[in-house]
Amino acid sequence: NAGVMQNPRHLVRRRGQEARLRCSPMKGHSHVYWYRQLPEEGLKFMVYLQKENIIDESGMPKERFSAEFPKEGPSILRIQQVVRGDSAAYFCASLLGQNTEAFFGQGTRLTVV
Amino acid sequence: AQSVTQLDSQVPVFEEAPVELRCNYSSSVSVYLFWYVQYPNQGLQLLLKYLSGSTLVKGINGFEAEFNKSQTSFHLRKPSVHISDTAEYFCAVTSMDSSYKLIFGSGTRLLVRP
Repeated sequence: NAGVMQNPRHLVRRRGQEARLRCSPMKGHSHVYWYRQLPEEGLKFMVYLQKENIIDESGMPKERFSAEFPKEGPSILRIQQVVRGDSAAYFCASLLGQNTEAFFGQGTRLTVV
Repeated sequence: AQSVTQLDSQVPVFEEAPVELRCNYSSSVSVYLFWYVQYPNQGLQLLLKYLSGSTLVKGINGFEAEFNKSQTSFHLRKPSVHISDTAEYFCAVTSMDSSYKLIFGSGTRLLVRP
């Protein structure tokens, strides 16, 4: 059973471009979290998704950021018109259901130049 | 609102010495607690979890933690650390109060010296 797969592992974007980060959950998992981690800091919650549904997006910036978890395919975190402050590691985790263990991917390190 | 506090940003310790990493949480309802470890440029790996039952929880790599409801704490311990335990450790909490989103503390860097 493959683990949580995130791609790409590293992503470089120029200011103003769009960044698309993908997260393929573990087989059978229907819940996904997205987190952002700045250097030397902890993980900041962004969004909690269930297939075709957003459960909690209280940590998402109001503009430029969106997330989806369609019925088929990976979860996508989309950042439009990136700025230097968006540079960070973005981690996703998948779960079988609420209150179960969250399995983390290796992260996508976004660098905005 | 739910929150997690890890007061120690860094804990230096000599190899084979015992260690305790502190974690305190705040929540108005029953919680589920976790400790994760992160090695450089890696994702997070679960060390142990408390969902219910015995308040002393044993995890991987010789780590254990004790849930103390009266002190709202979930401290992580290991009786004898190795160089390979050098990493960042995160405490996390989830509950019905937060729609089950997993909230992390700011992390504690464990630095094991020879």
